[in-house]
Amino acid sequence: QKEVEQDPGPLSVPEGAIVSLNCTYSNSAFQYFMWYRQYSRKGPELLMYTYSSGNKEDGRFTAQVDKSSKYISLFIRDSQPSDSATYLCAMSADSWGKFQFGAGTQVVVTP
Amino acid sequence: SAVISQKPSRDICQRGTSLTIQCQVDSQVTMMFWYRQQPGQSLTLIATANQGSEATYESGFVIDKFPISRPNLTFSTLTVSNMSPEDSSIYLCSAPGGGEQYFGPGTRLTVT
Repeated sequence: QKEVEQDPGPLSVPEGAIVSLNCTYSNSAFQYFMWYRQYSRKGPELLMYTYSSGNKEDGRFTAQVDKSSKYISLFIRDSQPSDSATYLCAMSADSWGKFQFGAGTQVVVTP
Repeated sequence: SAVISQKPSRDICQRGTSLTIQCQVDSQVTMMFWYRQQPGQSLTLIATANQGSEATYESGFVIDKFPISRPNLTFSTLTVSNMSPEDSSIYLCSAPGGGEQYFGPGTRLTVT
């Protein structure tokens, strides 16, 4: 069993819809959770960073962490075609330490 | 935040040769990380590079194949040695900054 599970998709949504992404994990020591966006042929770009449990909002993006369920989510409101990318979750027990990545979910937002 | 650059951005290499990838961070960091992303796959950690000590390799990766240098707090190199087509991947370096983890743009390697 992988430490981090993420549905690879693809997830196709119409423009303006809410995109809902999630990851589950097995290591209860994970405390630092990140979401990255990766466009084709580019490096991962940090979107959201969350420490421990709770919610964090930044513009159209909301990240949620539920440590009791070992489940994290990313919501994208008012999705745009430019949001079409692969979204990777990553998590670590230390802020400076090595991160375990999910498989990445491919998102396609259609005009 | 940390700004990370990599050279080269891409290369096409012949089987049996070696390629050295450079990673530069705009601030001093104790730890740098090297990842591999094979086609259609997620990121897999190759090794952790600490300044002044030997790199620590993850299971399945060895120093003879992926030697790493870390001469100072802003720079690291990863060499992919004796390449085979299975080494065709994107290689990324990363470093922490402000409690977050940042990535370079990646080096796209194709081995023929």
